[in-house]
Amino acid sequence: AQSVTQLGSHVSVSEGALVLLRCNYSSSVPPYLFWYVQYPNQGLQLLLKYTSAATLVKGINGFEAEFKKSETSFHLTKPSAHMSDAAEYFCAVSAGEGFQKLVFGTGTRLLVSP
Amino acid sequence: DGGITQSPKYLFRKEGQNVTLSCEQNLNHDAMYWYRQDPGQGLRLIYYSQIVNDFQKGDIAEGYSVSREKKESFPLTVTSAQKNPTAFYLCASSILAPGEDTQYFGPGTRLTVL
Repeated sequence: AQSVTQLGSHVSVSEGALVLLRCNYSSSVPPYLFWYVQYPNQGLQLLLKYTSAATLVKGINGFEAEFKKSETSFHLTKPSAHMSDAAEYFCAVSAGEGFQKLVFGTGTRLLVSP
Repeated sequence: DGGITQSPKYLFRKEGQNVTLSCEQNLNHDAMYWYRQDPGQGLRLIYYSQIVNDFQKGDIAEGYSVSREKKESFPLTVTSAQKNPTAFYLCASSILAPGEDTQYFGPGTRLTVL
């Protein structure tokens, strides 16, 4: 079975500061990992995904994430926060290739102050 | 423009009434999904379908029903048996092919039961 833990329901940063959103996973098989972003009252948009190729994954809007098997982590980072990054971010895991259900974390709300 | 549409965006119903949420996709995706989102709980899978005329229960199917009569459409009915139906409902779809695990989400329907 797969599970995801997102540490911190809220993260606050200043504009221009580093963004770090934490995600740890549990999986009995090599996982596929995803980060999604959700703006208020909207659906989820894929930021990036890891599917067992390169461990450092680059996504949209300047975000990237690094898969660390030894730490079972897939943290999301962005070097410099922008006001438009304020949203809720979800980490998700599936059990690899083929049809697999996604298991989502509880989400982290990113607050960006001027 | 290809995408997933959900209607209506906001829905109000009286307690005890059944209500049907619409989800349509023109992405030619095989699989479709319904999730429920509550504050602080992330997304939980209600039902999913990999092929027309077939669907499976997710983690919280009680009080919900679905149909998949067409590839493009996957309506969700929230029945009076659902004890706490007020939530944000998200529909998603994906291709069923190796390496294509990404789920794409619609804009959501916010259901409020009075």
